[in-house]
Amino acid sequence: GENVEQHPSTLSVQEGDSAVIKCTYSDSASNYFPWYKQELGKRPQLIIDIRSNVGEKKDQRIAVTLNKTAKHFSLHITETQPEDSAVYFCAASTGYQKVTFGIGTKLQVIP
Amino acid sequence: GAVVSQHPSWVICKSGTSVKIECRSLDFQATTMFWYRQFPKQSLMLMATSNEGSKATYEQGVEKDKFLINHASLTLSTLTVTSAHPEDSSFYICSARGLASALETQYFGPGTRLLVL
Repeated sequence: GENVEQHPSTLSVQEGDSAVIKCTYSDSASNYFPWYKQELGKRPQLIIDIRSNVGEKKDQRIAVTLNKTAKHFSLHITETQPEDSAVYFCAASTGYQKVTFGIGTKLQVIP
Repeated sequence: GAVVSQHPSWVICKSGTSVKIECRSLDFQATTMFWYRQFPKQSLMLMATSNEGSKATYEQGVEKDKFLINHASLTLSTLTVTSAHPEDSSFYICSARGLASALETQYFGPGTRLLVL
């Protein structure tokens, strides 16, 4: 089955700096890669996703890149703000199959 | 759009009792619903996948007789934790996927915090 590795497990950045979270996947058939943000005690919220026919996608301060050959994808958050502090999960799936999540990255933005 | 509700939000029960958790898609038809378990500071662990009108598919290591899943309609799935024990205490989250903005996208419920005494 699919295996998703995510790092770092924790990340601290100064407000205004950029944050990068990286993930790798094992199943070359995976073609959908969502990213979720989970605040303490709350549900995971989809923040951005990318499909395998696209190499990069951007939404305001958030961008995701995908390298299919290397089987890795990354989340980039620019101009970080304290409200970006949360746990971020990457995930991979093969179309309509189940989604496999990474272990999560706890991001702390220091004011 | 794409709102998923879960009820109850938290429950405390005695060991040996059964607890039912409901997951509803409020504004879309969920062809597939997923049940996850999340321990503190850990990732989401998939327990089972349910498709409307058919039996759930359980992940390896998940006892199907202990965690009963029913997906009776396109908007409702239930998880029943039977004969709950303290080690079943956890945060249970459902997600739904269907004819929302994108077929692959899962939308999560707010979760149910279960404490078994």
